[in-house]
Amino acid sequence: AQRVTQPEKLLSVFKGAPVELKCNYSYSGSPELFWYVQYSRQRLQLLLRHISRESIKGFTADLNKGETSFHLKKPFAQEEDSAMYYCALRAYSGGGADGLTFGKGTHLIIQP
Amino acid sequence: DTAVSQTPKYLVTQMGNDKSIKCEQNLGHDTMYWYKQDSKKFLKIMFSYNNKELIINETVPNRFSPKSPDKAHLNLHINSLELGDSAVYFCASSQGRNSPLHFGNGTRLTVT
Repeated sequence: AQRVTQPEKLLSVFKGAPVELKCNYSYSGSPELFWYVQYSRQRLQLLLRHISRESIKGFTADLNKGETSFHLKKPFAQEEDSAMYYCALRAYSGGGADGLTFGKGTHLIIQP
Repeated sequence: DTAVSQTPKYLVTQMGNDKSIKCEQNLGHDTMYWYKQDSKKFLKIMFSYNNKELIINETVPNRFSPKSPDKAHLNLHINSLELGDSAVYFCASSQGRNSPLHFGNGTRLTVT
């Protein structure tokens, strides 16, 4: 079965400092990986998906199949980045629609 | 014009009661999901429906019964509520396996 690991439950950095949220996965097939963000008491929103290879709100994430990682990075943190960040993996089976397997989330706090 | 809407937003009820949470999506997606977010912010899939058919049914007590009257709706009925059912329940939808999940705002269920 697939697994997503976010080793840091809480990460606190100062405004303007670089941010890296770690995500490692375990899956025997070819995964599709996402980062979702949840601002305080709001819905989860898609931040990034690895196949898009885009930068959203200054965040980037590169899939490293050798290290089975999909770390989220931003060079200069901003206070509005404070939120819960979830790494998620979509596994493919023959049964059709597959849900996402989420990591336990990392609470990012940006200090002024 | 909310894409995925859940009602109610808050639900406070006593142990032993039966309650329902409704979810509707207007994105034309063919797949809908229910996720549970516990007090530690851990997100776990409960059910997935594709074109009104149950696809994923994780280890969830039989007291939880999803119902999909059409592919735009996936309601969650919970019988004999227990204290441990207190959580935030998120509905989501996607277009099959190739699109990201879009989440509703969540329903905060408190069982007293």
